Amino acid sequence: QVQVVQSGAEVKKPGASVKVSCKTSGYTFTSYYIHWVRQAPGQRLEWMGIINPSGGNTTVAQKFQGRVTLTRDTSTKTVYMELSSLRSEDTGTYYCARGLGYSNGYDNWGQGTLVAVSS
Amino acid sequence: DIQMTQSPSSLSASVGDRVTFTCRASQRISTYLNWYQHKPGKAPKLLIYSTSTLQSGVPSTFSGSGSGTEFTLTISSLQPEDFATYFCQQTYITPDTFGGGTKVEIK
Repeated sequence: QVQVVQSGAEVKKPGASVKVSCKTSGYTFTSYYIHWVRQAPGQRLEWMGIINPSGGNTTVAQKFQGRVTLTRDTSTKTVYMELSSLRSEDTGTYYCARGLGYSNGYDNWGQGTLVAVSS
Repeated sequence: DIQMTQSPSSLSASVGDRVTFTCRASQRISTYLNWYQHKPGKAPKLLIYSTSTLQSGVPSTFSGSGSGTEFTLTISSLQPEDFATYFCQQTYITPDTFGGGTKVEIK
């Protein structure tokens, strides 16, 4: 069955970077886009970006351009999201999710990775 | 960005009740509207995509309708496992955007 498993919680200081992994299994890795979404405490979900695991091409939300890098490793069927120049407002739960087609929602989500940014 | 507004933000209901939530988009999004169920500490679960298509494995007590800017999610008979937060998402224009959610609590 399809599985999407994310790396564990992180605590970072302001200005640092964090890299979250998203390991997939149970389907053809290169056939489905992977989205990244975050939820800050008390806030709604916020789309960060998308990666096509086939070619590696990405689109990042304007808000995060220059700070977010999405990459993938086809040999391990893993996608990565790196967020740099962390600030306290980046504290939240980060999710990766498989896209069901290009615009039919996200059908399999990771369990979420809590990132806490604190001095 | 397209703004998604859900109402109500919360509601109290009993097992067996029929409940309906509304999601409004700030501009027309055709039928590119999806619904999710989210429970604390768990990953969101896709319930309905493209306004009215039930995701595989989702009970038929869930249904969706709408088009343009106004959409609804209906649970025809609330079950104990349905107490959760429900949020909508538009995937018509990048960036995908989400509603603030409707929390369903036990009356």
